[in-house]
Amino acid sequence: AQKVTQAQTEISVVEKEDVTLDCVYETRDTTYYLFWYKQPPSGELVFLIRRNSFDEQNEISGRYSWNFQKSTSSFNFTITASQVVDSAVYFCALSGPYNFNKFYFGSGTKLNVKP
Amino acid sequence: NAGVTQTPKFRVLKTGQSMTLLCAQDMNHEYMYWYRQDPGMGLRLIHYSVGEGTTAKGEVPDGYNVSRLKKQNFLLGLESAAPSQTSVYFCATKVGDDPYEQYFGPGTRLTVT
Repeated sequence: AQKVTQAQTEISVVEKEDVTLDCVYETRDTTYYLFWYKQPPSGELVFLIRRNSFDEQNEISGRYSWNFQKSTSSFNFTITASQVVDSAVYFCALSGPYNFNKFYFGSGTKLNVKP
Repeated sequence: NAGVTQTPKFRVLKTGQSMTLLCAQDMNHEYMYWYRQDPGMGLRLIHYSVGEGTTAKGEVPDGYNVSRLKKQNFLLGLESAAPSQTSVYFCATKVGDDPYEQYFGPGTRLTVT
């Protein structure tokens, strides 16, 4: 069965601190896709990144970076030098391989960045 | 270019009442989805559609019906609302069958008393 676990319910940091959001997934499939979405206070989910199971390269986009490790079934998300605007709920999700209409979302991690 | 819009934004229903949530998109995406978001549970798929005139059940379809009469619209109906359906409902769209990202609407907060 597909499952995504985000064990950190809520994290609070002070601006400029680095923070890592954990995502652990379960799947028996060898082909799958992982996603991160951001849900700011306005409510709308915003796509951040997609990674397929055959690409274990870490990715960096500005202050954001993602560490994908198949050996530990983890796809962690790090924000460097956090800012108040990073305050949001972040969701990790898993999809594939036979039905790309089924997205399995984690329960989300609420990040509070204080000035 | 509005993207994905949802109507209404908020609604309060009494138990047993019915209502329809409208999702509209102007991105010409084939696939559309309805999710519900409950505290501590992430998003769960209710129903989805892979094209005009088609619908399929997701993870939690009971108590809901959907219709996709036009490509740009996806309707979610509650025939007899129950307090357990109090939730935030999100509509999402996707270009096609591949594992592309989904684009989400702003959500509808529904309370059933």
